[in-house]
Amino acid sequence: GAVVSQHPSRVICKSGTSVKIECRSLDFQATTMFWYRQFPKQSLMLMATSNEGSKATYEQGVEKDKFLINHASLTLSTLTVTSAHPEDSSFYICSARNRAGTEAFFGQGTRLTVV
Amino acid sequence: AQRVTQPEKLLSVFKGAPVELKCNYSYSGSPELFWYVQYSRQRLQLLLRHISRESIKGFTADLNKGETSFHLKKPFAQEEDSAMYYCALSSSNTGKLIFGQGTTLQVKP
Repeated sequence: GAVVSQHPSRVICKSGTSVKIECRSLDFQATTMFWYRQFPKQSLMLMATSNEGSKATYEQGVEKDKFLINHASLTLSTLTVTSAHPEDSSFYICSARNRAGTEAFFGQGTRLTVV
Repeated sequence: AQRVTQPEKLLSVFKGAPVELKCNYSYSGSPELFWYVQYSRQRLQLLLRHISRESIKGFTADLNKGETSFHLKKPFAQEEDSAMYYCALSSSNTGKLIFGQGTTLQVKP
């Protein structure tokens, strides 16, 4: 099946710095990717929809200036957490739909810890 | 509003016992419903979707529009079924997935 790869799988950064997380579709083209956030023992909360070649669509309550999304090509979307704070520590997961739109494939997730 | 509810955080059964993981949804339209599974230390993966009406690893789920439910069932649980199960609803026009809170299934030997 299709593979979505996230990098890095784990990152620790200092408060005030920015962190970039990459999401790649390895063997298919994804015009749309999705970014989720998961708190411990909780569900996946959709943060934004990333559209290739256009601006991302953010869910209510998600700060677009805080979580910058860039979808520069059909196989790569990036999420940058700017001026990170400890409360941004979380598990971030991306997913991409295949062209038929019949299935979403998920990355392995990125554990972000802000100290 | 679109919402998916999984009322049970944890479901613990013995091997060979029947399993039913509950899922209810609210959606103003024709929903696409899915079950995703996450095994320990692995990524989220699709288990089954209502439109395909298939049985995967012995699991089935029937969409009941009257009760707005999409419960996941398996007649005889196996230890390898132990995992986190998420029910999800897809918005037909945006393609985004809305997830339930998840249910941890624990199958004891």
